Amino acid sequence: RKEVEQDPGPFNVPEGATVAFNCTYSNSASQSFFWYRQDCRKEPKLLMSVYSSGNEDGRFTAQLNRASQYISLLIRDSKLSDSATYLCVVNGGTNAGKSTFGDGTTLTVKP
Amino acid sequence: NAGVTQTPKFQVLKTGQSMTLQCAQDMNHEYMSWYRQDPGMGLRLIHYSVGAGITDQGEVPNGYNVSRSTTEDFPLRLLSAAPSQTSVYFCASRKTGVGQPQHFGDGTRLSIL
Repeated sequence: RKEVEQDPGPFNVPEGATVAFNCTYSNSASQSFFWYRQDCRKEPKLLMSVYSSGNEDGRFTAQLNRASQYISLLIRDSKLSDSATYLCVVNGGTNAGKSTFGDGTTLTVKP
Repeated sequence: NAGVTQTPKFQVLKTGQSMTLQCAQDMNHEYMSWYRQDPGMGLRLIHYSVGAGITDQGEVPNGYNVSRSTTEDFPLRLLSAAPSQTSVYFCASRKTGVGQPQHFGDGTRLSIL
């Protein structure tokens, strides 16, 4: 079983739709959680950190459920420019400080 | 505002050649790592380091060596290039501690013929 698992998609949605991505992690000792965005095999870029209380950045909302070892990302009012691959990242756990990436979920927003 | 700098950006090698991919960061980050990404796949961790003089293997270390003689630099060496090592290589760094995100270089696109 992979340490971090994501639904690979692809998700194809119309502009303006709301879409949610899920991620599960296997190690309960994990300490930090993030969502990254990657465009067309360019370098991954930080989208947002994920906090236990949940956090929002404009149209993006991230949630963490430590009991279920589950992370989510909600995108509201999707834009064409949101088309990308979204990566779930978990720090800590089995090796102190090691960052583990999920394989990513691909989103295509269509006009 | 350099951040994480990778060189070269593109490289073509012949099977059996060796080379070093360079990675440097100017943010005084303790943690550095190398990933490879094959077409249609996720990032796979090759090697990582939690500080100068300390390195450890990731998920796919075979065929690669690393060293960390300074905080700033974390070169990745391909010992004897094979076509299976054709990939995009990303270097990343971050501060250690809770809540610290990784910062990535632009990547090196490597083709082995």
